[in-house]
Amino acid sequence: KQEVTQIPAALSVPEGENLVLNCSFTDSAIYNLQWFRQDPGKGLTSLLLIQSSQREQTSGRLNASLDKSSGRSTLYIAASQPGDSATYLCAVTNNDMRFGAGTRLTVKP
Amino acid sequence: DTGVSQNPRHKITKRGQNVTFRCDPISEHNRLYWYRQTLGQGPEFLTYFQNEAQLEKSRLLSDRFSAERPKGSFSTLEIQRTEQGDSAMYLCASSLVSMEQYFGPGTRLTVT
Repeated sequence: KQEVTQIPAALSVPEGENLVLNCSFTDSAIYNLQWFRQDPGKGLTSLLLIQSSQREQTSGRLNASLDKSSGRSTLYIAASQPGDSATYLCAVTNNDMRFGAGTRLTVKP
Repeated sequence: DTGVSQNPRHKITKRGQNVTFRCDPISEHNRLYWYRQTLGQGPEFLTYFQNEAQLEKSRLLSDRFSAERPKGSFSTLEIQRTEQGDSAMYLCASSLVSMEQYFGPGTRLTVT
């Protein structure tokens, strides 16, 4: 059974810092990995999708990496802003999609 | 708005009643997914459709839950004889095969 773990559960940083969120999964036989952002009480917004054959994806200040063999992904956020405050979720897809519990990020002005 | 839409956004019901939620996916997406999310947790997969065929169902989807996608477009999720433990956010997502999933805003269910 695929299990997805995100560390840390919560993170608070001052504005402008670069930061890394971690995601690990137990079964490396995945089709893809996706990072999402969720604001309180809202649905999920897709940030980046990495196919199993890819190593990383970039979008603006975000960079996500994937190491399938070790079952790890990281989401790097450069020059963090207060508007980045949200919960960040990673999810891996086999026949279904399994999510981690998320990292709650607070960026302080 | 061409995103995924869900109705209603909020539903309050009494224990034992039946409820039905609707999801309208992005029009060209052939896959549609249902998830359940409780406070402080990531979404849990319930089921997904490819076109009108229901291809996968989680063990979380008890006999009281049923989902349909009759014409391969919108989908409904029905919960019969609701229980307090059914209170959660129900999320719908759509995608093309093996591509990015796009989520709707969710339906928040409260069972009293």
